[in-house]
Amino acid sequence: RKEVEQDPGPFNVPEGATVAFNCTYSNSASQSFFWYRQDCRKEPKLLMSVYSSGNEDGRFTAQLNRASQYISLLIRDSKLSDSATYLCVVNGESNTGKLIFGQGTTLQVKP
Amino acid sequence: DGGITQSPKYLFRKEGQNVTLSCEQNLNHDAMYWYRQDPGQGLRLIYYSQIVNDFQKGDIAEGYSVSREKKESFPLTVTSAQKNPTAFYLCASIRQAHLAFGYTFGSGTRLTVV
Repeated sequence: RKEVEQDPGPFNVPEGATVAFNCTYSNSASQSFFWYRQDCRKEPKLLMSVYSSGNEDGRFTAQLNRASQYISLLIRDSKLSDSATYLCVVNGESNTGKLIFGQGTTLQVKP
Repeated sequence: DGGITQSPKYLFRKEGQNVTLSCEQNLNHDAMYWYRQDPGQGLRLIYYSQIVNDFQKGDIAEGYSVSREKKESFPLTVTSAQKNPTAFYLCASIRQAHLAFGYTFGSGTRLTVV
């Protein structure tokens, strides 16, 4: 089983749609969770951290379910500029700063 | 502005040749990491360093070497022993006590074997 698993997609949605990405992780001791965005042939950039209580940043909402070891990202009112690959990221061994990356979910927003 | 600088942006390597990828940061971050990304795949950890003069192997260290002589610098050498080096290489850093903020990445080096 991969340490962090995501549905690779692609997700093709029209502008204005709401889209949800899911991610599962294998290490129940993980404490830090993130969503990164990666544009084609660019480096990943932090989109948002994911907190236990869930958190929202504009059109983006992240949720964490520790019991099910499941993380989600909801994008509302999709824009063309949201087209990218979204990486689910979880911390590795404690005190190493290592992060474990999922393979990413590709989103294509169409006009 | 503070950040991580990777160079070169593109690098071409001949068979049997060693090449070194540069990674420099002026963020005063303690820990630095090298990842490799292949098309359609997630990032895989090659090496990491949490303090100067110390580094550890990641999941795919074979065929690579690193050094950490200065806090700001963490160069990666891709040796001739790495049989499939064509990939996108990403350097990242973090201040040790602030993992909650995630990594800062450099813009990457795209290495191609010719």
